[in-house]
Amino acid sequence: EAQVTQNPRYLITVTGKKLTVTCSQNMNHEYMSWYRQDPGLGLRQIYYSMNVEVTDKGDVPEGYKVSRKEKRNFPLILESPSPNQTSLYFCASSLYSGGAGEQYFGPGTRLTVT
Amino acid sequence: QKEVEQNSGPLSVPEGAIASLNCTYSDRGSQSFFWYRQYSGKSPELIMSIYSNGDKEDGRFTAQLNKASQYVSLLIRDSQPSDSATYLCAVNQAGTALIFGKGTTLSVSS
Repeated sequence: EAQVTQNPRYLITVTGKKLTVTCSQNMNHEYMSWYRQDPGLGLRQIYYSMNVEVTDKGDVPEGYKVSRKEKRNFPLILESPSPNQTSLYFCASSLYSGGAGEQYFGPGTRLTVT
Repeated sequence: QKEVEQNSGPLSVPEGAIASLNCTYSDRGSQSFFWYRQYSGKSPELIMSIYSNGDKEDGRFTAQLNKASQYVSLLIRDSQPSDSATYLCAVNQAGTALIFGKGTTLSVSS
C-alpha cells in the first residue's frame, strides 16, 4: 500500500530532551516536507526537501533540523524541544521535486513538550 | 507574504444541499491549486486538484478556478453528514511549497 508513515504517533517529552520523529514514504517521491498544525494558525511548513541531500527552510524552521540521506526517509529532529513546539506534526510527500504536485500526508505525530 | 484566505466558518448546510467553499490567494503567479479534506484529529486528504481556469468535476465535487480574480472554489453536491470536516485550500508557491489556508469547517446536518 502506497503510504507515508510517521513514528511515533504520540510523544510526551520534557524541555531540552532531544527527539527525532521519523517519516518514510514508499512511493518513490522526490519531494518531502514537514508541517506543524496549530489551532488558529493552520498548517505551516517547517522544512522541505526537493531531493536527496537537498533541504531548505519553510516558514517556521527555528528549533528544528532535518536530513535527507535516502529518498524514502526524512526525519525531523528537535535538538532541544521547548513547550512552544507542542503541536501536531505532519510529514508529506509529492512525486514532483518542486512540490507542485499533489502532496500526500502521513498520519501525524502529536507532540507535547512539558 | 503570500497568503491564502478562507472563511473559517462554520458553514452549515442540510443533508442533500450544495455546499460552496471559497478561497482567495494573493500570488498572481500561482499555477496549481488543491483542496484537502481534514477530519478532526486526522491528516489532510487530497480531494481535488485544478490547474487551469474553469471547472473540474469529480463525482459530487466540483472545483472552480478563476485566475484573473485569484479565486478558487469547491462545490459539494448532495452533501452528506460524512462530508462534515474542515476543508483546506492550498496553492503552490514558486514550485517549492504549498501554502495552505486556515480551512473552512463544514457541518452537514441530517
